[in-house]
Amino acid sequence: DAKTTQPPSMDCAEGRAANLPCNHSTISGNEYVYWYRQIHSQGPQYIIHGLKNNETNEMASLIITEDRKSSTLILPHATLRDTAVYYCIVSGQVRGAQKLVFGQGTRLTINP
Amino acid sequence: GAGVSQTPSNKVTEKGKYVELRCDPISGHTALYWYRQSLGQGPEFLIYFQGTGAADDSGLPNDRFFAVRPEGSVSTLKIQRTERGDSAVYLCASSLGGTRSYEQYFGPGTRLTVT
Repeated sequence: DAKTTQPPSMDCAEGRAANLPCNHSTISGNEYVYWYRQIHSQGPQYIIHGLKNNETNEMASLIITEDRKSSTLILPHATLRDTAVYYCIVSGQVRGAQKLVFGQGTRLTINP
Repeated sequence: GAGVSQTPSNKVTEKGKYVELRCDPISGHTALYWYRQSLGQGPEFLIYFQGTGAADDSGLPNDRFFAVRPEGSVSTLKIQRTERGDSAVYLCASSLGGTRSYEQYFGPGTRLTVT
């Protein structure tokens, strides 16, 4: 699985958009980009995933560059409850169960 | 509906003892995963099951670790001769198979402390 690089920490004001970057320059053609987050003392929670098109769901948007070497997770209106560690993961095809290789993630702090 | 549950939530054991950690996945989920998370680190993959069989056990650190899922539902992670370095939070996750396998649902974890 391709390796990802994320900033160790970020801050964002409540109500503003939080933009979390991720580099995955060695991603291969059949690998997806996944984002999970982990709120303190809880198990990780799936947020969103994508292959090459931008994706949006009720939680977030995922913007993937055309060369697929980087992506950005966008939380459009961050709240205090979005304070968590956010993991960007690159893994194989969606079909079939896949192990997730977590890195260190980005610790996002939402400030009031 | 009920999520993934794990028991016990906390386990303290002495070095050298045997422990079993249990995971109850979401009903109907065919895939089940075990991860462990050390303090300040991201979760580390251990093993995953598709149905009753271990489809990938490449993350098990050594032969002291073993996991079973005999009926394709509940799974038990077994650790023999525990060492202090085994202290971590052990996370279980489950997912649907097929095209919905990308979304893994995690339990709250079992915090294992080896003294």
